[in-house]
Amino acid sequence: GAGVSQSPSNKVTEKGKDVELRCDPISGHTALYWYRQSLGQGLEFLIYFQGNSAPDKSGLPSDRFSAERTGGSVSTLTIQRTQQEDSAVYLCASSPSGTGDFEQYFGPGTRLTVT
Amino acid sequence: DAKTTQPPSMDCAEGRAANLPCNHSTISGNEYVYWYRQIHSQGPQYIIHGLKNNETNEMASLIITEDRKSSTLILPHATLRDTAVYYCIVSFIYSNYQLIWGAGTKLIIKP
Repeated sequence: GAGVSQSPSNKVTEKGKDVELRCDPISGHTALYWYRQSLGQGLEFLIYFQGNSAPDKSGLPSDRFSAERTGGSVSTLTIQRTQQEDSAVYLCASSPSGTGDFEQYFGPGTRLTVT
Repeated sequence: DAKTTQPPSMDCAEGRAANLPCNHSTISGNEYVYWYRQIHSQGPQYIIHGLKNNETNEMASLIITEDRKSSTLILPHATLRDTAVYYCIVSFIYSNYQLIWGAGTKLIIKP
């Protein structure tokens, strides 16, 4: 079956511009997660959705970052006024229920480069 | 900070068993040990998890010491496709949405 998909796969933007990153989770998965990964580093948690609600936004690094999820499915991560330090791979994952799931299913990521 | 310590890199010959160690000396009684791997330019892939007992699935075996302060992931017959970064993570099951990832171990399988 279809896995988690993300778009675009690559995004190059100028400093100060806004960007939107999209995640399509596995159909039927109620939990959705966003992470980012800087070069050579492990993943950094950003936000967790249970359905359309975000019980934990603690990982969002600043108020320039926001995310929403609609219809319990697609999620969009928005970064406003991008900075060079926002350059990273942004990864999305989903799981059937959320807390209590041992396995998260990851998408291929969006590589964001801010010039 | 990550709650685990892993060697930054390891080599293994193709066809041999790859044994990846992980130290988690501060693990608490109800924290699980998870292993994921990330092949170059792909998203991470779940491998296995465990609490106290050793676990085995079609991908790997997880050996957890009796005091639970360390564990070893075993890939029984490594292939070139197993070359990846392997991450060892500890987390409570009910906060596992916020997995804390370290830098992992870069495993290189050599022909």
